[in-house]
Amino acid sequence: DIQMTQSPSSLSASVGDRVTITCRASQGIRNHLGWFQQKPGKAPMRLIYAASSLQSGVPSRFSGSGSGTEFTLTISSLQPEDFATYYCLQYNSYPLTFGGGTKVEIK
Amino acid sequence: EVQLVESGGGLVQPGGSLRLSCAASGFTFSDHYMDWVRQAPGKGLEWVGRTRNKANSYTTEYAASVKGRFTVSRDDSKNSLYLQMNSLKTEDTAVYYCARITPGTGIDYWGQGTLVTVSS
Repeated sequence: DIQMTQSPSSLSASVGDRVTITCRASQGIRNHLGWFQQKPGKAPMRLIYAASSLQSGVPSRFSGSGSGTEFTLTISSLQPEDFATYYCLQYNSYPLTFGGGTKVEIK
Repeated sequence: EVQLVESGGGLVQPGGSLRLSCAASGFTFSDHYMDWVRQAPGKGLEWVGRTRNKANSYTTEYAASVKGRFTVSRDDSKNSLYLQMNSLKTEDTAVYYCARITPGTGIDYWGQGTLVTVSS
């Protein structure tokens, strides 16, 4: 199975900050990676697919990069509605595997 | 608008069975692969299983943790996805989400989830 190591597991940031979250795959997954945002009590929502493609309707302050084994999600200027937990997901091979999550909290 | 609505969750004893349903609307259900993903209370996301579409013979894939106990199926005539869960364990307690797959891009839409509690 492919292990997805996500870091950090949590972070505190202020509105307007630039935030970067990283996922590392235990083996190459090409660009078969998505990023999801989840708010408490809600279903996840996709932000990014194919490592760097922005989901329709998602603000442009979100961006993704990477290929192979190293991936990043960047929020260029954190907004109040962005405080949530973020997960990466590899869909290159079965079983699909998620990163452990990054909780973004208000500083 | 894509909509996925899960139902069938509830309290079940260890060793028992439960069948979850997911009603789909707003898209051509029969074209898409569909997944189940779960989330234990306070924990992260875990992929459970997948059914492919008719063009791919409705074949299925499962996580090791549920293989042999859970069965993913679908009824395209009813735009519905199912998860039959047998021999349930306390560690199967979770919110179960159904999710749509778009080829080449992975999971794109999720339902709101249904809670399954396995406890005596």
